[in-house]
Amino acid sequence: IVLTQSPGTLSLSPGERATLSCRASQSSSSYLAWYQQKPGQAPRLLIYGTSSRATGIPDRFSGSGSGTDFTLTISRLEPEDFAVYYCQQYGSSPPYTFGQGTKLEIK
Amino acid sequence: QVHLVQSGAEVKKPGSSVKVSCKAPGGTFSSYAITWVRQAPGQGLEWMGRIIPMLGIANYAQKFQGRVTITADKSTSTAYMELSSLRSDDTAVYYCARERVDTAMDGWGQGTLVTVSS
Repeated sequence: IVLTQSPGTLSLSPGERATLSCRASQSSSSYLAWYQQKPGQAPRLLIYGTSSRATGIPDRFSGSGSGTDFTLTISRLEPEDFAVYYCQQYGSSPPYTFGQGTKLEIK
Repeated sequence: QVHLVQSGAEVKKPGSSVKVSCKAPGGTFSSYAITWVRQAPGQGLEWMGRIIPMLGIANYAQKFQGRVTITADKSTSTAYMELSSLRSDDTAVYYCARERVDTAMDGWGQGTLVTVSS
């Protein structure tokens, strides 16, 4: 399964709403997760099972979607949210894949 | 989120092998798989493979088949990723993470930089 994220780069201002897309090449029984990565740091899990927030993740982050189209929404951007975001399909039948990433930058 | 502890940076010659370790908190191996992901400089995340320590079953990305071996020592809660026949394009930060179907990868190591250079 190939995951395609769009846009490649998203330029927004703090306080704005961010919508990040992840499209799978085919529908499957696997799950969808989202990760945030800041420079020099390991990725951090934000969303698993398409829409469940990981422990400690603020509720401004939400995930949705089904089939082949998935979305990560950040309702109101905080300065610390500017980072690179990756989607990933996972489950009980590897191999798994990551999307190529969306860079969220300050406008 | 949970932190796993990886071994330190390595510098290797082309054609050699590298083995990176990843120590997980106690109890991790009883209910999680350990996944290895790498990130070349300025690039995205690449899934390499994973192991279910309690079963000793490993799966690998096709790209790395025959070159990568992932193992786990339950007695020390440590997983290992060995990559052989190293090339310059294997230069990357290698991460381990614990993974479960109901939580995805919710705990990561700090990353290990492997530099392949003659």
